[in-house]
Amino acid sequence: EAGVAQSPRYKIIEKRQSVAFWCNPISGHATLYWYQQILGQGPKLLIQFQNNGVVDDSQLPKDRFSAERLKGVDSTLKIQPAKLEDSAVYLCASSPRGLYNEQFFGPGTRLTVL
Amino acid sequence: AQTVTQSQPEMSVQEAETVTLSCTYDTSESDYYLFWYKQPPSRQMILVIRQEAYKQQNATENRFSVNFQKAAKSFSLKISDSQLGDAAMYFCAYRENNAGNMLTFGGGTRLMVKP
Repeated sequence: EAGVAQSPRYKIIEKRQSVAFWCNPISGHATLYWYQQILGQGPKLLIQFQNNGVVDDSQLPKDRFSAERLKGVDSTLKIQPAKLEDSAVYLCASSPRGLYNEQFFGPGTRLTVL
Repeated sequence: AQTVTQSQPEMSVQEAETVTLSCTYDTSESDYYLFWYKQPPSRQMILVIRQEAYKQQNATENRFSVNFQKAAKSFSLKISDSQLGDAAMYFCAYRENNAGNMLTFGGGTRLMVKP
């Protein structure tokens, strides 16, 4: 079974530029999560989708971050414009249908904002 | 809000020895899950072990076991017969059963294994 795929693996941009990350969850997984992991810290949930609807986006900085999950499969996370403090690893995870199932994580995208 | 604290930024263990990683959490809920995740360098985060709060028996998965003290809100991970492949960041995480599937993570403990 293929795991959670993310691209790109690394991205370097300058502040005020825009960037987008892509996630392809495990086939059949209804729930998708985006986490931000700042160096030296644990992951923090940014947004959670159930199919293509948002379950929780309370910690998403909506003035600059946006996310969508079209057709309930792939998802993109965008930052516009980026700030220095956005430098982090962005992790995508997915879990099967049902709200209380194990989350499977992707390899992450490491973003560096200069 | 729930918080998860890992007070040991780094730990080291000799190969084949036993090590215990600490985790404390704060919650007013009684129905929740606790997890330990392993994140090897530049690799995916994977689930090591989980514990349901209503179960008194401590969870065990091969060389990994937990010491769950609900009253003390403590959830430590014991790794027996440590192997070089156990070297990684370990994260303790909490999930409340009435709030979707949202995980709250601790800050992590870096485990080094000495040959």
